Amino acid sequence: EAGVAQSPRYKIIEKRQSVAFWCNPISGHATLYWYQQILGQGPKLLIQFQNNGVVDDSQLPKDRFSAERLKGVDSTLKIQPAKLEDSAVYLCASSLLTSIYEQFFGPGTRLTVL
Amino acid sequence: AQSVSQHNHHVILSEAASLELGCNYSYGGTVNLFWYVQYPGQHLQLLLKYFSGDPLVKGIKGFEAEFIKSKFSFNLRKPSVQWSDTAEYFCATGGYQKVTFGIGTKLQVIP
Repeated sequence: EAGVAQSPRYKIIEKRQSVAFWCNPISGHATLYWYQQILGQGPKLLIQFQNNGVVDDSQLPKDRFSAERLKGVDSTLKIQPAKLEDSAVYLCASSLLTSIYEQFFGPGTRLTVL
Repeated sequence: AQSVSQHNHHVILSEAASLELGCNYSYGGTVNLFWYVQYPGQHLQLLLKYFSGDPLVKGIKGFEAEFIKSKFSFNLRKPSVQWSDTAEYFCATGGYQKVTFGIGTKLQVIP
């Protein structure tokens, strides 16, 4: 079974630039999550999709972060403009609708903002 | 909101030593508890889970965790660690359709 795919794996940008991350969940997983993991902390949920609808985006900084999941499969997370404090690993995860707490994670994208 | 706290942020053990990583959860109704693990260079993955029933939960690779309601705890244990158990371990709780993670504990096992 193919796992959750993410790209790019690493990204270095300067502050005020924009960046986008891509995620392809496990086939058949209706629920998709984006997490932000800052060094020394646990993953923090940014946004949760169920199919192509948003279930929870309460912790997404909407002035600079946006995410979409067109057609209920792939998803992109964008930051525009980036700040120094956005340096983190961005994790994508997916789960079955019937097992939302059993999440499968991708390798993550490590973002460095200079 | 539900949350978990992990007491030890960095643990160093010798091979064959016993392991216990602490995790306490805040009560928020139905309790769903998890331990996730991230081995070096690998994805975060589910180690074990508790929803209800037997409070002693067995996971992969010989790990187990015990849900103690009176102590609001869900500690992770392994009787004898191996070098390959070197990883970061996250306690997590599930509620209101989302998972909330603890800060993580880095375990280093010395051969």
